[in-house]
Amino acid sequence: GDSVTQTEGQVTVSESKSLIINCTYSTTSIAYPNLFWYVRYPGEGLQLLLKVITAGQKGSSRGFEATYNKETTSFHLQKASVQESDSAVYYCALAPTGANTGKLTFGHGTILRVHP
Amino acid sequence: GALVYQYPRRTICKSGTSMRMECQAVGFQATSVAWYRQSPQKTFELIALSTVNSAIKYEQNFTQEKFPISHPNLSFSSMTVLNAYLEDRGLYLCGARDPGGSSGNTLYFGEGSRLIVV
Repeated sequence: GDSVTQTEGQVTVSESKSLIINCTYSTTSIAYPNLFWYVRYPGEGLQLLLKVITAGQKGSSRGFEATYNKETTSFHLQKASVQESDSAVYYCALAPTGANTGKLTFGHGTILRVHP
Repeated sequence: GALVYQYPRRTICKSGTSMRMECQAVGFQATSVAWYRQSPQKTFELIALSTVNSAIKYEQNFTQEKFPISHPNLSFSSMTVLNAYLEDRGLYLCGARDPGGSSGNTLYFGEGSRLIVV
């Protein structure tokens, strides 16, 4: 089956510093999957942060970016300068290609704490 | 924009009783609704995928008898946790797919329904 592995546990970064949360994936599908980053801020629901459906492309949102690398099967999340408001739990996820599927496979989540 | 409302946000139920949660899509037609559970210390696990006018597909370890789902129209779905026990506790999320948006199987999630079993 499909699986997603991301940086485990908690990442602590000082405000204005750079961030990288690693994500790698594996799939049994012959087609390249669609890749996503979701974020859950304290007290809120799960929100889509960014998505990339084409291998080799880069997605970006709110200063975050992630590049779909099919050679290394990675989709690392990066931000050049984090803010305290970025503190949240980040989930990397993949979905099989196809118009009628809604199945996401999630990583275990990475807690980001940004301190001033 | 696409919004998903989920309720109740939190339920405390006695062991052996049931809990029903509802999911409402606003601003788009949810042709597919996926129900997930996040148990303590775990990631989100797919329970079942419901597509209007198709049979509901349950993942391994989840059954219709335990987690009956209703998806009567393009804006509403509900799921019940029957005979809830400690192992059923966790955060239940519904994710609704917007087929009218750009491709990529984007799911929009509600805020989740937290089930506490005592």
